[in-house]
Amino acid sequence: DAGVTQSPTHLIKTRGQQVTLRCSPKSGHDTVSWYQQALGQGPQFIFQYYEEEERQRGNFPDRFSGHQFPNYSSELNVNALLLGDSALYLCASSPRTNTQYFGPGTRLTVL
Amino acid sequence: AQSVTQPDIHITVSEGASLELRCNYSYGATPYLFWYVQSPGQGLQLLLKYFSGDTLVQGIKGFEAEFKRSQSSFNLRKPSVHWSDAAEYFCAVGVRVYSGGGADGLTFGKGTHLIIQP
Repeated sequence: DAGVTQSPTHLIKTRGQQVTLRCSPKSGHDTVSWYQQALGQGPQFIFQYYEEEERQRGNFPDRFSGHQFPNYSSELNVNALLLGDSALYLCASSPRTNTQYFGPGTRLTVL
Repeated sequence: AQSVTQPDIHITVSEGASLELRCNYSYGATPYLFWYVQSPGQGLQLLLKYFSGDTLVQGIKGFEAEFKRSQSSFNLRKPSVHWSDAAEYFCAVGVRVYSGGGADGLTFGKGTHLIIQP
């Protein structure tokens, strides 16, 4: 049983560029959440997608947007990248329970 | 809004010794509580969770945690640590469950870095 997968593993961008990160949830999971983890910090909730709609959003600017596809996979888009966006981006999926299962993350470096 | 405090940034324990990692939460009711572990450069692995019922919960890798409502705490314990337990440990809370299933995003503490001495 494949777990949560994310791509790419690493990514390097320059300030002002746009980036798209991808996530495939565990089989049977219909909810996807995205988190940002800065170096030395705990993950911070960005937003959650359910039934192809954003259901909940954390304290992140509109530069952060997402999408969920009919097969429950999801994308995270960040526009106008800032140096401070450098972080590990984690995707978590969950079935219709309270428990979230995390992927390995995408390491984004903004130069 | 809910919050999570992990008072210890770093903890050093000798291999074979017991371990307790502290977690305190702030929320008006009983939240859903989780402990996750993260190895360097990796994602988060769920160790255990508390939703309701028995306040002592057992998890994977020999870990357990006890929910204490009076202290707003959910401390993680292990009777004997192994060198492979060296990692970052995160406590997290969730507060809202949807009627159709699923729950809100989690609020995490800043983590405790566990170092194992030989």
